[in-house]
Amino acid sequence: GENVEQHPSTLSVQEGDSAVIKCTYSDSASNYFPWYKQELGKRPQLIIDIRSNVGEKKDQRIAVTLNKTAKHFSLHITETQPEDSAVYFCAASIGDMRFGAGTRLTVKP
Amino acid sequence: NAGVTQTPKFRILKIGQSMTLQCAQDMNHNYMYWYRQDPGMGLKLIYYSVGAGITDKGEVPNGYNVSRSTTEDFPLRLELAAPSQTSVYFCASSYVGGGDEQFFGPGTRLTVL
Repeated sequence: GENVEQHPSTLSVQEGDSAVIKCTYSDSASNYFPWYKQELGKRPQLIIDIRSNVGEKKDQRIAVTLNKTAKHFSLHITETQPEDSAVYFCAASIGDMRFGAGTRLTVKP
Repeated sequence: NAGVTQTPKFRILKIGQSMTLQCAQDMNHNYMYWYRQDPGMGLKLIYYSVGAGITDKGEVPNGYNVSRSTTEDFPLRLELAAPSQTSVYFCASSYVGGGDEQFFGPGTRLTVL
């Protein structure tokens, strides 16, 4: 089945800096790649997603890029703010969804 | 719309006890999922359903059972609880499977002692 690896496991940045989180997947048939944000004690919530027929997608300060050949995709957050502090999960789907282990992002004011 | 709801919020079980985690959605979604999230880890799929009467195993189905008699409800049954089942359980739903946003419930924190 699909295997998703996510790096780094923790990331600390200064407010205003950019943050990048990377994921790789194993099954070339995967066609949907969402990113979820989970605040402490809360449910995961979708922040952005990308499909396999698109290379890049942007929504304000958040962008995702996909390299199908290399089977990796990345989340980019620009101008980070303290409220961006959370755990971020990538996932890959060809039917059922497989999640990465998560990245704990801390934005220092 | 309430979205995806789960009960209970918290539960402590003794080893060997059984319980049912309830999940309901009011978005008329066809697909429903059960995940477990161990501390500091990602989400692991336990079971999923593509519609009423149809269920299938995910990555970690052992020790669990599900049923889907209606579109709205997708209960998860734990038989003979074990400490390894201590986790946070999330139910989710989506309109279609695969390439569609999954909406998560608030979670049930289960401890087995």
